[in-house]
Amino acid sequence: DQQVKQNSPSLSVQEGRISILNCDYTNSMFDYFLWYKKYPAEGPTFLISISSIKDKNEDGRFTVFLNKSAKHLSLHIVPSQPGDSAVYFCAAKDDYKLSFGAGTTVTVRA
Amino acid sequence: KAGVTQTPRYLIKTRGQQVTLSCSPISGHRSVSWYQQTPGQGLQFLFEYFSETQRNKGNFPGRFSGRQFSNSRSEMNVSTLELGDSALYLCASSFSLTGYETQYFGPGTRLLVL
Repeated sequence: DQQVKQNSPSLSVQEGRISILNCDYTNSMFDYFLWYKKYPAEGPTFLISISSIKDKNEDGRFTVFLNKSAKHLSLHIVPSQPGDSAVYFCAAKDDYKLSFGAGTTVTVRA
Repeated sequence: KAGVTQTPRYLIKTRGQQVTLSCSPISGHRSVSWYQQTPGQGLQFLFEYFSETQRNKGNFPGRFSGRQFSNSRSEMNVSTLELGDSALYLCASSFSLTGYETQYFGPGTRLLVL
């Protein structure tokens, strides 16, 4: 049973524009949410996180929004850069484990 | 501070064999988790260890097992390998994986079963 879902397998965006990645979850016990970025043949790299008591967290070009009532979070990347082309995973924590979405492949076009 | 290290990085085995993968967490981290990533799939949780105790386990068959040593290093073992076990196996560590703690990943071990 997939408790974390990323319904868009891919996203193509022009350099300099905004990238918006979405993630939905079903488990109301999740208390911490994270975004990871992954290049081929490498392990995921931590990007940004948000606790369940907040609704927004910002770090440079990256902002994560959490809507607990809708069980939805999103990652905004502004402005998008060519180096942002990668697979992005949404993850949620509870009970000593992270549950991951299937990932969204972002391609930033020059 | 050194990151999470995993050995070996690549491995080729045949069906029916067994394999052991190793993970050294970031210094000071006592929680180690293992994940499996297959093409088109997200990361599937295998198990988590803290102070040599398994605290959580994912939905994998008993052929998948793990352990953690007193220095927090961890190993996972897969016995009687099947073709479907071909995957990237990722290890992640954190201080204790409680509260608002982040897990940090190693580069992974790519396992190919022929």
